[in-house]
Amino acid sequence: AQSVAQPEDQVNVAEGNPLTVKCTYSVSGNPYLFWYVQYPNRGLQFLLKYITGDNLVKGSYGFEAEFNKSQTSFHLKKPSALVSDSALYFCAVRGPGSGGGADGLTFGKGTHLIIQP
Amino acid sequence: KAGVTQTPRYLIKTRGQQVTLSCSPISGHRSVSWYQQTPGQGLQFLFEYFSETQRNKGNFPGRFSGRQFSNSRSEMNVSTLELGDSALYLCASRTGAGRTGELFFGEGSRLTVL
Repeated sequence: AQSVAQPEDQVNVAEGNPLTVKCTYSVSGNPYLFWYVQYPNRGLQFLLKYITGDNLVKGSYGFEAEFNKSQTSFHLKKPSALVSDSALYFCAVRGPGSGGGADGLTFGKGTHLIIQP
Repeated sequence: KAGVTQTPRYLIKTRGQQVTLSCSPISGHRSVSWYQQTPGQGLQFLFEYFSETQRNKGNFPGRFSGRQFSNSRSEMNVSTLELGDSALYLCASRTGAGRTGELFFGEGSRLTVL
């Protein structure tokens, strides 16, 4: 079975500072990894994904993520945080699959990112 | 291009009733997935449809069912509602059924069961 861990329920960062939201995963085979953001009372918005290739993936709103196979991690980063980045962030994984069974995206529990002015 | 549209956005039901939620995917998207979001369990996969066929199903009881129509629109139904079914139900669409495509989510239908 595949799983995702987001070890921090909440991350607090001062505006202008770099931010990191942590994610580790467990899956059989090569993973397909995703980051989504959710604003209050809204659906999830896609930020970026890692499928294969370069370990550093760039996405929307200045976010990037680094895939580390040896540490099974996919941390989300941004060089300079904005107050408007405050939201709930989800990491998700999908394995290479075997063609059957429950096979949707597996999400982490989410991390509340709070950017302080 | 219009996004994923879910109706209704909010609804209140009582235990034992049933509910049907509707989802219109992004034009051209043939795959529709449903997720349940609760504070305790987070986001959990319900099922996915592609070309009117259920491809995958999560670990939910048979009270949860769905279908997809020829125009890719999807509905999910929950019968004999329980208090624990109170949740935000999210629909998501993507172009195909491969493993690498990202999901585009609607804003959800918030169900409250009294």
